[in-house]
Amino acid sequence: DVKVTQSSRYLVKRTGEKVFLECVQDMDHENMFWYRQDPGLGLRLIYFSYDVKMKEKGDIPEGYSVSREKKERFSLILESASTNQTSMYLCATSGSSETQYFGPGTRLLVL
Amino acid sequence: QQPVQSPQAVILREGEDAVINCSSSKALYSVHWYRQKHGEAPVFLMILLKGGEQKGHDKISASFNEKKQQSSLYLTASQLSYSGTYFCGTGGRGGMIKAAGNKLTFGGGTRVLVKP
Repeated sequence: DVKVTQSSRYLVKRTGEKVFLECVQDMDHENMFWYRQDPGLGLRLIYFSYDVKMKEKGDIPEGYSVSREKKERFSLILESASTNQTSMYLCATSGSSETQYFGPGTRLLVL
Repeated sequence: QQPVQSPQAVILREGEDAVINCSSSKALYSVHWYRQKHGEAPVFLMILLKGGEQKGHDKISASFNEKKQQSSLYLTASQLSYSGTYFCGTGGRGGMIKAAGNKLTFGGGTRVLVKP
């Protein structure tokens, strides 16, 4: 079974703080994704990576950056957190097929 | 552009049927359906490919209408365990280009509540 873990289930940060969200997968998948989930808006893609050190912007990359130094690890960085980044953040992975496997999510509150 | 799901929410009694639609303004090559139970990660249900057959998962099935650029998910004889939010995700041309990363574009979700 694919296992996707995220570093925290809940996080509370202050406006202006730098925030790191980490995602680790154990299935040697090439592709990794970061989404944010907001009520009524579904899952919106922030960034994705199809290989180590490779990244592509998704639909809503503003205010975020990512890092993929190792195949199993994909980090989402909020350089200066703002209240409108309060959301649920989901990481996902996929291999050669399009099927994605999701982590449990991190609920981030920015005060 | 996100696919549009309808309805946004549905309440059912156990044993009733429901249909969830997923419509795209772009040509569809693949449609994925996921279910997310409260407090849990979305879980893959099934994939429908252009030119493929109708799929099924227990008493949940789905169809793919290429002409209408639409997929429908059918919940038949619903059970309490069917409660959750259902998402459709539309894919590309099979992810042949590595930089495409096999990305999906998800709809806004349909909340389903099945009551006893």
